Amino acid sequence: AQSVTQLDSQVPVFEEAPVELRCNYSSSVSVYLFWYVQYPNQGLQLLLKYLSGSTLVKGINGFEAEFNKSQTSFHLRKPSVHISDTAEYFCAVSSYSGSARQLTFGSGTQLTVLP
Amino acid sequence: SQTIHQWPATLVQPVGSPLSLECTVEGTSNPNLYWYRQAAGRGLQLLFYSVGIGQISSEVPQNLSASRPQDRQFILSSKKLLLSDSGFYLCAWSVGGTSSPLHFGNGTRLTVT
Repeated sequence: AQSVTQLDSQVPVFEEAPVELRCNYSSSVSVYLFWYVQYPNQGLQLLLKYLSGSTLVKGINGFEAEFNKSQTSFHLRKPSVHISDTAEYFCAVSSYSGSARQLTFGSGTQLTVLP
Repeated sequence: SQTIHQWPATLVQPVGSPLSLECTVEGTSNPNLYWYRQAAGRGLQLLFYSVGIGQISSEVPQNLSASRPQDRQFILSSKKLLLSDSGFYLCAWSVGGTSSPLHFGNGTRLTVT
């Protein structure tokens, strides 16, 4: 079975400061990794994805994430946040296990950008 | 381009009343379809997924059911709502295999009173 742990449930940060949202996963097979953002009362929007190749992936809104296989992590970063980045962020792991796709979401990290 | 429509956006229903939430996808064929629920302050819970017309897999036993009468239509239903059914319901689609991301609708906020 696979699992996803988002280590921080809430992250407050001042505007224009850098931020890192942490995500660790466990899986016995190869995985694909995703980050989503959810604004209040809206659905989830794909920020970025890691499928293969370069371990540093860039997404929308200036976010990037780095896949670290040895540490089984996929942390999300942004060098300078804006008020508009205030939202909930979800890490997700996808793999093929047995005869079906396994897709697991983390419990989410609420990012609050303070003026 | 592909789009997903989910309605209604908000719904207030009394305990014991029926429920029908609808989701449709445009611009793609034979998508995988999903229903998720978010309870207040909690993460995403997969309720149902479907890989084709009439094919529904249930992830958790509950007061809800799902149907897929057409290729790009996914319906979430209940005969009698419970207070615990309150939450934010999200429909999503994907095409392809394990590496394909999910694409979400804007959700339905259901309040059972």
